[in-house]
Amino acid sequence: DAGVIQSPRHEVTEMGQEVTLRCKPISGHDYLFWYRQTMMRGLELLIYFNNNVPIDDSGMPEDRFSAKMPNASFSTLKIQPSEPRDSAVYFCASSLGALKETQYFGPGTRLLVL
Amino acid sequence: GIQVEQSPPDLILQEGANSTLRCNFSDSVNNLQWFHQNPWGQLINLFYIPSGTKQNGRLSATTVATERYSLLYISSSQTTDSGVYFCAVVSVGAQKLVFGQGTRLTINP
Repeated sequence: DAGVIQSPRHEVTEMGQEVTLRCKPISGHDYLFWYRQTMMRGLELLIYFNNNVPIDDSGMPEDRFSAKMPNASFSTLKIQPSEPRDSAVYFCASSLGALKETQYFGPGTRLLVL
Repeated sequence: GIQVEQSPPDLILQEGANSTLRCNFSDSVNNLQWFHQNPWGQLINLFYIPSGTKQNGRLSATTVATERYSLLYISSSQTTDSGVYFCAVVSVGAQKLVFGQGTRLTINP
């Protein structure tokens, strides 16, 4: 299995631009998670899906952030408009089964907003 | 919410040394994972260990759920073991994996 796939790996954009991050979970996994890692806040959960349905989005920082999962093999995290404080590494993870199972992380997208 | 504290925050060792990393958590958990974030930023699963003991090569982990702590042991350290080690937990009744702040391990040749 290829593992969790994320794209792009690096993104540099200017403040105000729309940013779309993409994730392909491990085939057969029914949970998908989006995390953000910063020096100040560490690793924090933004949102997670079960069978393509958003379950908990309480970690999404504000309305500028949105996430979708149109099918079992694809999810997007969108920031519109982007701000410099959104600069971080964004990870996607997936797992088989409920929250008592191992989560497998993708390589992350390093986002820099100028 | 649950608090996850890792110690020490930083650890510098010579190649070949052994190390013990600790994770304390403030509530009962039904999921505990150890991750290694390598210098390239990749998060790699080491153990899923909400209780008991597991071993994988030079690494082993023990979680004493009743006392709310977990230990990660690394024996005969290699330079490739360098990076940040994270403990992450899901407390009973919760739905989120909460990460500690990590232990930064540096193995010098």
